[in-house]
Formats: sequence, C-alpha cells, structure tokens
Amino acid sequence: DAGITQSPRHKVTETGTPVTLRCHQTENHRYMYWYRQDPGHGLRLIHYSYGVKDTDKGEVSDGYSVSRSKTEDFLLTLESATSSQTSVYFCATARGNEQFFGPGTRLTVL
Amino acid sequence: DQQVKQNSPSLSVQEGRISILNCDYTNSMFDYFLWYKKYPAEGPTFLISISSIKDKNEDGRFTVFLNKSAKHLSLHIVPSQPGDSAVYFCAASENTGFQKLVFGTGTRLLVSP
Repeated sequence: DAGITQSPRHKVTETGTPVTLRCHQTENHRYMYWYRQDPGHGLRLIHYSYGVKDTDKGEVSDGYSVSRSKTEDFLLTLESATSSQTSVYFCATARGNEQFFGPGTRLTVL
Repeated sequence: DQQVKQNSPSLSVQEGRISILNCDYTNSMFDYFLWYKKYPAEGPTFLISISSIKDKNEDGRFTVFLNKSAKHLSLHIVPSQPGDSAVYFCAASENTGFQKLVFGTGTRLLVSP
C-alpha cells in the first residue's frame, strides 16, 4: 500500500465546466504523476512533479494544469472540460525505479 | 508513435499452464523495464522489473526476459492461476535521473480453471 488516495473517485460533469482532481500521498515521495487511461492507449502521462512547485508537462498535457503546494498533494485541473477528457485518471508516486498508483478517478464529461 | 507496444490485446490460458505476455519497444535509450498488473476498478500494481544490464529476472512464478538486440521483453507466468486474470501493462523508462514511464496498451489475460 503506497498510501495514495484520489478524490473524487467518480465524477460526472458538463462540457465547459472546470474540474479539479486531487491526489494525496502519505509516504513523502518527491515525485508525483498524473496519467490517463483510455482503451487502446494504455496509460499516458499528463503532468508530473519533481518537488513542491516544480512541475512539468507529459505526453498529453493540453487542456490540463497541475499544482503542488505541499509534498503530499498534487492537483490536476481541467480548466474547461471537454468530452475528449472523459477517462480514468490515475495518480502515482515513485520510489527508486518503481511507481505506485492510486485507485483512480473515473471522470465523465457530458 | 507508440514507443512501447503490446501487440496482443488478449490472451487465454488454462490454469496450471504457462502464460507468455510479450512487449516490444522502439526507443534504444530505454534501460529499465517494468510489468504492472491491473484489476478492474483498481490502480496498476507493480509486478516485476528488469534493468538493461540483465537478460532475466525471476520472482516466484513470474519471470521477465529481455532481448535488447530485438528490443523485446516477455513476462512468463508459471503456473498460471485464475487469480492472475487481469490486464498486464509493460512499461519502459530512460535513465534521466527520475522515472518517466512509457506504457504499452496492455494485454488482458484470462486464466480459466
């Protein structure tokens, strides 16, 4: 158990509304990641963080922003949700060469 | 441009037999490879990994083989059990100082009793 929680676990929202997903970890890991999982694509990296206030873009960052004001929290924001952002979102932390994943957030944008 | 490929979307095996899951990669800079297992409605969990300096790593029923010249790795599960039924993701990373994983699309394994 890597001590990662994600909230909410499920969310349905409408196109054009802002959405924030939260990832919380209790292991004091420096690195944190946000992925999305879609059929036929596996997991794709959205953004990652290598310390408080230090973040960078991943493979599919368009339409997403992140913030990390505390070691334990990593927020993912969809400024104006679109139907193409309907997905399952996973947060992860890293220790050494291993990444540990949270339980996921299923987001549906109508 | 899929740098990590799992060409078999699904695999069915009988309990007690060997399961072989395959993964190919194109980026020669990848030097660390991992396998993750994912059950429905849960996050992926780490299963086994291998560094590019090795060609084999074992952990109980799970063995990963790496063929660098072919840019190919495989996960062997022997003997397969019904509880192994899940989606398996192959992932790879470069030695950049911190870990940024590139995942394959996954293979769904079904082990029938």
